[in-house]
Amino acid sequence: AQSVTQLDSQVPVFEEAPVELRCNYSSSVSVYLFWYVQYPNQGLQLLLKYLSGSTLVKSINGFEAEFNKSQTSFHLRKPSVHISDTAEYFCAAAPPSGGYQKVTFGTGTKLQVIP
Amino acid sequence: DAGVTQSPTHLIKTRGQHVTLRCSPISGHKSVSWYQQVLGQGPQFIFQYYEKEERGRGNFPDRFSARQFPNYSSELNVNALLLGDSALYLCASSLDRARGYTFGSGTRLTVV
Repeated sequence: AQSVTQLDSQVPVFEEAPVELRCNYSSSVSVYLFWYVQYPNQGLQLLLKYLSGSTLVKSINGFEAEFNKSQTSFHLRKPSVHISDTAEYFCAAAPPSGGYQKVTFGTGTKLQVIP
Repeated sequence: DAGVTQSPTHLIKTRGQHVTLRCSPISGHKSVSWYQQVLGQGPQFIFQYYEKEERGRGNFPDRFSARQFPNYSSELNVNALLLGDSALYLCASSLDRARGYTFGSGTRLTVV
């Protein structure tokens, strides 16, 4: 079984400042890792994913996340945030093979960008 | 291409009633999963269906059931509604797990 921990429930940051949203996972087997973003009253949108290979993955809107196997982490970063980045961010894990495709989510981190 | 569509978008039910939520996956996606997202929490896995067969079930009571139709659309049924069933119910479809899961906008269920 896998679990995902997001230690920060809320992260306030000033516009154009850098931000890091932390995610740690626990799994007895390899996992696929994802970051999803949820805007108010909307569903989840896939931001980026790590499957294998390069440990640094990037999204089209400037976010990046680095898979660190030794620290079992998959932190999300952005060097300069915009007001439009205000949303809730969920880290998630899924088994790459076998069984069923259950995605395990963290409890979410609300990013509040302050003008 | 249309994304994952869910209906209705909002629903208000009374305790003890039953409810049916519907989901249409992205064309070509044979896997559909259902999640419950209670306010302030991350989504919790309820069911996964693939090719009309239940492939997995989360830790939810038997009041929750689902099915998938030949066109891969899906229904989630909840009987004997409780106040605690109030949540956003999300449907996700995928082509294969490596490509990730596309979520619909959800159905907001309020039980009063």
